[in-house]
Amino acid sequence: GESVGLHLPTLSVQEGDNSIINCAYSNSASDYFIWYKQESGKGPQFIIDIRSNMDKRQGQRVTVLLNKTVKHLSLQIAATQPGDSAVYFCAEILGSGNQFYFGTGTSLTVIP
Amino acid sequence: GAVVSQHPSRVICKSGTSVKIECRSLDFQATTMFWYRQFPKQSLMLMATSNEGSKATYEQGVEKDKFLINHASLTLSTLTVTSAHPEDSSFYICSASDAREDEQFFGPGTRLTVL
Repeated sequence: GESVGLHLPTLSVQEGDNSIINCAYSNSASDYFIWYKQESGKGPQFIIDIRSNMDKRQGQRVTVLLNKTVKHLSLQIAATQPGDSAVYFCAEILGSGNQFYFGTGTSLTVIP
Repeated sequence: GAVVSQHPSRVICKSGTSVKIECRSLDFQATTMFWYRQFPKQSLMLMATSNEGSKATYEQGVEKDKFLINHASLTLSTLTVTSAHPEDSSFYICSASDAREDEQFFGPGTRLTVL
């Protein structure tokens, strides 16, 4: 079918290296942010979230950084593994939560 | 918890037929469900938002008569692609949120191919 919209930016990293995936959001009033991972042919899966009153949150091998001054969000993956190869989306959530805005997404490829 | 299922996972149909895709929240009550469309190597595109018992809110450019959405219960929403054409071939993903509305739980997606 006809394709519309932007194609995903790509990032390739060597296995074992750290990955940093960036996302710019648009609304300074957004108060909640989520990173999703989407493997090929599957729906997005929740990875980690962060509230606007925080600037950093750590999970298992993942860290999310929030810079509200420049409206920027990043996802850091430590010791990237082949299983991390996927598309990663950030989402900004406004107000009640029904206003979800997804970033373009980044396609991460891990080279063994 | 917070599992969302979609059925079917893959469907192939002839041009002109209608296809119904189901989205179910298995272990929570989904006050709001969302339908997305995704082309290969592209981002999610929100098609519509539906609240249980009310009409869906469609995004600009999405034909409501083409993509019929029904959210009859707190655990089920359906998307019917009417008179499907090859350009409707895509990956359709639903998501659901509960009363807290601070997270969307995604279904596994449905791959539609229209011949």
